[in-house]
Amino acid sequence: KQEVTQIPAALSVPEGENLVLNCSFTDSAIYNLQWFRQDPGKGLTSLLLIQSSQREQTSGRLNASLDKSSGRSTLYIAASQPGDSATYLCAVFNQAGTALIFGKGTTLSVSS
Amino acid sequence: DAGVIQSPRHEVTEMGQEVTLRCKPISGHDYLFWYRQTMMRGLELLIYFNNNVPIDDSGMPEDRFSAKMPNASFSTLKIQPSEPRDSAVYFCASRETGTNYGYTFGSGTRLTVV
Repeated sequence: KQEVTQIPAALSVPEGENLVLNCSFTDSAIYNLQWFRQDPGKGLTSLLLIQSSQREQTSGRLNASLDKSSGRSTLYIAASQPGDSATYLCAVFNQAGTALIFGKGTTLSVSS
Repeated sequence: DAGVIQSPRHEVTEMGQEVTLRCKPISGHDYLFWYRQTMMRGLELLIYFNNNVPIDDSGMPEDRFSAKMPNASFSTLKIQPSEPRDSAVYFCASRETGTNYGYTFGSGTRLTVV
């Protein structure tokens, strides 16, 4: 059974820092991996989708990498801003290739 | 595109009452998913449909929960009778066939059963 773990559960940094959020999964036979952002009391906003054949994706200050062989993904946020404060969720497509399995998320707080 | 639309945004009901949550997926998306989010368990898959047909309902907690998708543009999740432990945020998501596409989530329905 696929399990997704995100470390750390919470992270506090001062504005301007570069940071890395970690995601690990137990079954490397995934199709894709997707990073989401969730603001308090809100829905999920897709940040980046990495297909299984890719090793990384970039969008603005965000860069996500995928290493299927080690069962790991990282989300790199450059020059963090208070507006980046949110919960970041990692999710993988399971072996059936259809249903997302989520980690519990990393709650990020960026102070000004 | 209006995205995935869920209604209502908030629902407060008394224990024992029937609750119906609604979802309109993005046009052209042939997969629809229902998730539940709680602080303790995070996001859990309840059920998903492909071309309006339920594929996997193993995440539905018990017989009090049921879901339908009568057509490609509408799905419901019903809880009857509701219990306080059903209090959570329920999300609907949709996506297109193929592994090159990601999921799009609705804004969720926050359910409180008192």
